[in-house]
Amino acid sequence: NAGVTQTPKFQVLKTGQSMTLQCAQDMNHEYMSWYRQDPGMGLRLIHYSVGAGITDQGEVPNGYNVSRSTTEDFPLRLLSAAPSQTSVYFCASSYGGPNNEQFFGPGTRLTVL
Amino acid sequence: KQEVTQIPAALSVPEGENLVLNCSFTDSAIYNLQWFRQDPGKGLTSLLLIQSSQREQTSGRLNASLDKSSGRSTLYIAASQPGDSATYLCAVDNDYKLSFGAGTTVTVRA
Repeated sequence: NAGVTQTPKFQVLKTGQSMTLQCAQDMNHEYMSWYRQDPGMGLRLIHYSVGAGITDQGEVPNGYNVSRSTTEDFPLRLLSAAPSQTSVYFCASSYGGPNNEQFFGPGTRLTVL
Repeated sequence: KQEVTQIPAALSVPEGENLVLNCSFTDSAIYNLQWFRQDPGKGLTSLLLIQSSQREQTSGRLNASLDKSSGRSTLYIAASQPGDSATYLCAVDNDYKLSFGAGTTVTVRA
């Protein structure tokens, strides 16, 4: 199993550009989530999904969109990038929900100029 | 809103010493608490998961306790090794949402 994969690993954007961060898992996990990690802060939940076709907002959803058309994939879209979105983004998945062991991807380091 | 705090932010110990990492949270209505390890530039690896009905969990040299009523958890790492150097984060589950602490960065000196 590849586990949780994320692409790209690094990305530089200009203010106002849009892009999609990819996340995929091959463990047939229902629950998937996106976090951002900023220096000196814990991970903050952006969006999560409890299954295909079902998504919900986390703590910091503004400026981000998600969709879940398949069990395997959970892309995160930045609509119009801002410098405040410079961060490291992590995708995670688990069987059932956050009450089970979470598996994290390696992260995407995003810089917005 | 759940607030999760980890003190200290950084810790340096000589090899062989036992490590004690603290995590506190403000809302005791949690489903579970998890401890993670993060190496520089890497994702998180789950270490231990304690369900709200449990008091502790153990895995090898790691032991985590949970006192839900007081909003505290402690991670003990026995006989620390240089390979234990990493950042350790705790997270609590409130209704399908994980809230993380900022982590404790541990350095074990050989």
